[in-house]
Amino acid sequence: DAKTTQPPSMDCAEGRAANLPCNHSTISGNEYVYWYRQIHSQGPQYIIHGLKNNETNEMASLIITEDRKSSTLILPHATLRDTAVYYCIVRGHSGGYQKVTFGTGTKLQVIP
Amino acid sequence: DTGVSQNPRHKITKRGQNVTFRCDPISEHNRLYWYRQTLGQGPEFLTYFQNEAQLEKSRLLSDRFSAERPKGSFSTLEIQRTEQGDSAMYLCASSSPRGGEGVSTEAFFGQGTRLTVV
Repeated sequence: DAKTTQPPSMDCAEGRAANLPCNHSTISGNEYVYWYRQIHSQGPQYIIHGLKNNETNEMASLIITEDRKSSTLILPHATLRDTAVYYCIVRGHSGGYQKVTFGTGTKLQVIP
Repeated sequence: DTGVSQNPRHKITKRGQNVTFRCDPISEHNRLYWYRQTLGQGPEFLTYFQNEAQLEKSRLLSDRFSAERPKGSFSTLEIQRTEQGDSAMYLCASSSPRGGEGVSTEAFFGQGTRLTVV
C-alpha cells in the first residue's frame, strides 16, 4: 500500500469547513484513497473513499487531484463532535478484504 | 446494538498473567480483524479471519499471542505471560464480503479493549 503524509494537527472553528489534506505521491493506478476517523476512546470509523472522481456522502466530501497525488477531506460545517484523529489511507480495493494500514493521522480540534 | 462488541472494555493485569479478550462481530459479517493501538499511534494490524480460518497474521503477533474464531462467529484474542509492552488498546473489526443495496463492504470497528499491564 502507498504511503501517505498528513499534517499532525489542525484547528477549525465550529461551523466552518474543515479541509484536511493528504499527500500520496506514490499512489498506483488501482489504489483507492480512504478516510477514517477515530474519536477519543472509540474505534476508527469509516468516512469515505474514492478512486479518481470526487465523492460526497452524508459525512464529508473527498476531493482528489487530477494526478491523484493528493486529496482533501472536507467536513462542510464542523461541529465539536468532529474533533478526532483523521486517517488518510491508500490501498487496493481487494474484494472486501479490509486490512487497513493506518499512519498517525491528523488530529483535528474543532474550536467553539 | 448491532455493532461490533468487545469485552471487557478495560483490563488491568499483572505482568506474567494471561488475559483473554472477546469480540462479537456484526452478525452477517464473515470477516474479522484484530488490531493493536498504542498511545499516539494509529492502529496496527494483527490478524485476519475469514469465517473460522485465520488467513493472515502480522509479525507483531508473537508466540505469546493467539487468536481463535472456532465457529466463525465470535473471536478471542489471548495473550500469555503478559509484558508491560503489551499495554495497548486492542481493536476488533468485521466486514461483509459483498456489497449491494444498503450493504457496505467497509470494516466496522468495536470500541476496543484497553489493556494495562502493571
